[in-house]
Amino acid sequence: EDKVVQSPLSLVVHEGDTVTLNCSYEVTNFRSLLWYKQEKKAPTFLFMLTSSGIEKKSGRLSSILDKKELFSILNITATQTGDSAIYLCAPMNYGGATNKLIFGTGTLLAVQP
Amino acid sequence: DAGITQSPRHKVTETGTPVTLRCHQTENHRYMYWYRQDPGHGLRLIHYSYGVKDTDKGEVSDGYSVSRSKTEDFLLTLESATSSQTSVYFCATGQGRNEKLFFGSGTQLSVL
Repeated sequence: EDKVVQSPLSLVVHEGDTVTLNCSYEVTNFRSLLWYKQEKKAPTFLFMLTSSGIEKKSGRLSSILDKKELFSILNITATQTGDSAIYLCAPMNYGGATNKLIFGTGTLLAVQP
Repeated sequence: DAGITQSPRHKVTETGTPVTLRCHQTENHRYMYWYRQDPGHGLRLIHYSYGVKDTDKGEVSDGYSVSRSKTEDFLLTLESATSSQTSVYFCATGQGRNEKLFFGSGTQLSVL
């Protein structure tokens, strides 16, 4: 059975802090791992990681994948209140007729002014 | 963002009634998905489609059926709604097999 564990479950920080969110996975037919940000409603795409050890960056956010140890981290530097959201990790199961994203329960990040 | 419209946005219904949720996309994406989101469980896949009339079950498909008669529309039906189906339902679409998914804004369904 596919399994995704995110930690911590929730986190409260102050503006300017740096945070690291963790995701470990056991997914059959693994192909890629995606990160999403969910504020009020629809999850929005952040990163897609396919290769191990290659960091992807977008502004203050960065992410990396370790396919040997089966985990990924999402870093946010100089946090802002607008970073408050649920961050979802979703490895992709590539078997069958289509790919399927297997979601973790998410990390709830609250950034206080 | 992909043009994905879910309807209705909110629905309250009674146990035992049939309910249909609609997902409409304007991006001509081949792949479409229905997820439900519940506290403590994250997003769980209900059903998915890999083309017109081509659908398959996800991990939590019991009590749900789907249909896709056109590329742009993917319907989720609860034949006889139960309180355990109270949830937020998200539709997602994807262009290719190893591509990111785009999500609709969700439907909040309450079954009383």
